[in-house]
Amino acid sequence: SAVISQKPSRDICQRGTSLTIQCQVDSQVTMMFWYRQQPGQSLTLIATANQGSEATYESGFVIDKFPISRPNLTFSTLTVSNMSPEDSSIYLCSVDGAGRVDQETQYFGPGTRLLVL
Amino acid sequence: AQSVTQPDIHITVSEGASLELRCNYSYGATPYLFWYVQSPGQGLQLLLKYFSGDTLVQGIKGFEAEFKRSQSSFNLRKPSVHWSDAAEYFCAVGRSNDYKLSFGAGTTVTVRA
Repeated sequence: SAVISQKPSRDICQRGTSLTIQCQVDSQVTMMFWYRQQPGQSLTLIATANQGSEATYESGFVIDKFPISRPNLTFSTLTVSNMSPEDSSIYLCSVDGAGRVDQETQYFGPGTRLLVL
Repeated sequence: AQSVTQPDIHITVSEGASLELRCNYSYGATPYLFWYVQSPGQGLQLLLKYFSGDTLVQGIKGFEAEFKRSQSSFNLRKPSVHWSDAAEYFCAVGRSNDYKLSFGAGTTVTVRA
């Protein structure tokens, strides 16, 4: 499976500020996904990021709040803008298994644990 | 739209005992089904997946799952649990057109000595 890293691994931020989370994968992938996992909850898909096109956002998530970049086939960023305590969550990126004969499978990074005060 | 139900929020099992986690899905087409495990403070690790073929699939760490189309279920089993199996387990269903995943609420497994 792909080796996926995320930076930062955790952060504590003040309300009203923004944080950019990086996701790096060790091989080229077609699709990268960003998820939010609120405390004690399951994962909710924020958006899908394909290289060379605008990210596609799920219902309830907007680009102004969660701008995403996908400059190449191994890297993506998610920014959490104008943060409030409700944004305190784990943010996870995942990638598809393209190139490994299992494009349908998603592999996850270790997550970024965000606390907003 | 697809959806996943994990009826059990929390399961406690003795070390060495068997474990079964339930998962029911709703999806109009042939589903892609997954089980992931999340240990405390960790990301998600893929345990196993089902796309087609043999309905009993083997995964890592001694886990297996059985796809039952008639019951829309994909239950996860392990014959003998180890203390290291204490974690959160998520069932997920993927769409065949864009591979987006929908996750169940998760089942927390506690292993007692």
